[in-house]
Amino acid sequence: DAKTTQPTSMDCAEGRAANLPCNHSTISGNEYVYWYRQIHSQGPQYIIHGLKNNETNEMASLIITEDRKSSTLILPHATLRDTAVYYCIVRDTGFQKLVFGTGTRLLVSP
Amino acid sequence: GAGVSQSPRYKVAKRGQDVALRCDPISGHVSLFWYQQALGQGPEFLTYFQNEAQLDKSGLPSDRFFAERPEGSVSTLKIQRTQQEDSAVYLCASSLASERYSNQPQHFGDGTRLSIL
Repeated sequence: DAKTTQPTSMDCAEGRAANLPCNHSTISGNEYVYWYRQIHSQGPQYIIHGLKNNETNEMASLIITEDRKSSTLILPHATLRDTAVYYCIVRDTGFQKLVFGTGTRLLVSP
Repeated sequence: GAGVSQSPRYKVAKRGQDVALRCDPISGHVSLFWYQQALGQGPEFLTYFQNEAQLDKSGLPSDRFFAERPEGSVSTLKIQRTQQEDSAVYLCASSLASERYSNQPQHFGDGTRLSIL
């Protein structure tokens, strides 16, 4: 079973920041938080991952709370092409597989 | 650079036929994974290779499913005597991850959509 809880769906206006929350209250000390997204008819696309520090790359920012029980993925300026299902996944460094939940369906509208 | 390549993109087979799905991982990636994604669901893990060694096959749903990676690069997922419930998208992912550096992300191909009639 997935170790994360995400809202089923969210809406965002084009050009605005999209903030996608994820709850992982049972995360253990050596588990990383990964974010992927899946656009229709494509494979999941890696976005970002982190352990406890906030992370930023060219796609997004990842904010992890100090207690590591939740995180937020931030798309700073959402575009229509960001419409996708976003998956938050926690993974132990000792285990290789990813366990996907149901994700958040983000709809970006004009 | 080239990503993970899967072929064919679409496969239609009659119930009872055998099928073979191919995955070309990113060059130099040690780890390779297969996932199955049913319509409207998230991907589910099938099996994992590190180089040519199949280290985890706990997700394979039955003994009709078989995967191999003989030279530690290209992998093939074979399904024998296909059944209608095998209809799904089969995704392949590769990663630089090894047991020591296992926080490397997985990178996915666009999958093979398998339809069993």
